[in-house]
This record gives sequence, C-alpha cells and structure tokens, in this order.
Amino acid sequence: AQSVAQPEDQVNVAEGNPLTVKCTYSVSGNPYLFWYVQYPNRGLQFLLKYITGDNLVKGSYGFEAEFNKSQTSFHLKKPSALVSDSALYFCAVRDVRAGGYNKLIFGAGTRLAVHP
Amino acid sequence: KAGVTQTPRYLIKTRGQQVTLSCSPISGHRSVSWYQQTPGQGLQFLFEYFSETQRNKGNFPGRFSGRQFSNSRSEMNVSTLELGDSALYLCASSEDREGDTQYFGPGTRLTVL
Repeated sequence: AQSVAQPEDQVNVAEGNPLTVKCTYSVSGNPYLFWYVQYPNRGLQFLLKYITGDNLVKGSYGFEAEFNKSQTSFHLKKPSALVSDSALYFCAVRDVRAGGYNKLIFGAGTRLAVHP
Repeated sequence: KAGVTQTPRYLIKTRGQQVTLSCSPISGHRSVSWYQQTPGQGLQFLFEYFSETQRNKGNFPGRFSGRQFSNSRSEMNVSTLELGDSALYLCASSEDREGDTQYFGPGTRLTVL
C-alpha cells in the first residue's frame, strides 16, 4: 500500500538552531515527493518537491530536503530556524495508481514550534 | 498570476442541508483537485477533475460530488450534511504535466450544526 509517515506529531527547536522534520514513504516505483506548510486558517503553501535528479532539493524560505531512496525518507531541513517557521508541515507523495499526476497522499502532519 | 481562490471562506449549515463550494484555479491550470482536512482524519483526497471529467475519486460516499466547467472552475457539492462533514475543504490546481506542483487555495471552512 502507498503511504506517508511523519513519525513526530510535534518538533520543538530553539530559534537559530537547525531543524529537521521527518518523513518516510512507501510507494511502488519512483516517488514524487512534496513538502507543504500550513499556517493557521490558511491553505497549504508549497515548499519543495523531489521528482528526479539531485537528492538534495532546495525550496522556499531557506528550506531543503534530502531524498534517500535506500531509507525511503524525505526529511525537511533548515540550517537556522526562525520563530516565523512555526506552523504545520505536511509531507506528501503522488499516488502512482491514479490517472494523471495530481492525487496526493499526505502524512498526518508535524507541528513545528520554534521558541525565541 | 492570481492564486487559487475559493468561495465562500466560511459556511455554517445544519444537518440534512446541502452545500456547494466553489474553486477558481490558477489561470491556465486544467486540473482541479479537492481535499478534506479534519483533525481526526487529516488530509484526504476527495476527487480530481480534468477537462470537465472526473479523473480520480477518493473513498467518500456518494453524497460528495463535483463538477468542472469549461473554464476549469470547479464546484463540489455535499448533500444531506452530517456533523462529521465539518471540515476545511481545500481545492488545488495544476497544469497537469508530469512532476507539476499542485497549488492550494485558502480553503472553505464548513461547520455543520
């Protein structure tokens, strides 16, 4: 079965410290992986994606993610956290069984809290 | 380009009523997908429309339906509302090329009393 797991409900980090939000996936074939962020009372904002190529993907607002095929992981990282990064983060994978490219399977989300 | 827009932003309905939500995709985007977000179930795919045809469907009862118009705008309808339908309904659009990103609207918050 295709799935995405975000093992941490919440991640706490001090401002200025590096942050990591974890994501593992299970999908047949080559995965298309995405990270989105959601602020209170807002929709999802796209951060970055892995389709093919370099395993280190750079995205918006200084975020990056590393695709690791052997560990089936796609962890989101940022070298120096800001208080404004506090939000709900979602990892998603394209459902390869679906027609087209637009059916996403989401993880449960990880709440990131950055403390001053 | 303007982003994905959804109307209305907030809705309050009572059980048994029906509701229609609207989504206008980014200009040029032909694919529109709908997702339901709840605290208990998280983000779940409802359905996707492409060129006025439903291409994919999630695991929701037939009370949930949708359609897409020739200008790619989409509507979803929920009939005979239940308390459990209270959720944030998110619409996303993309150009539908391999590897494309889906861009999400701000959502419609539906409360069923």
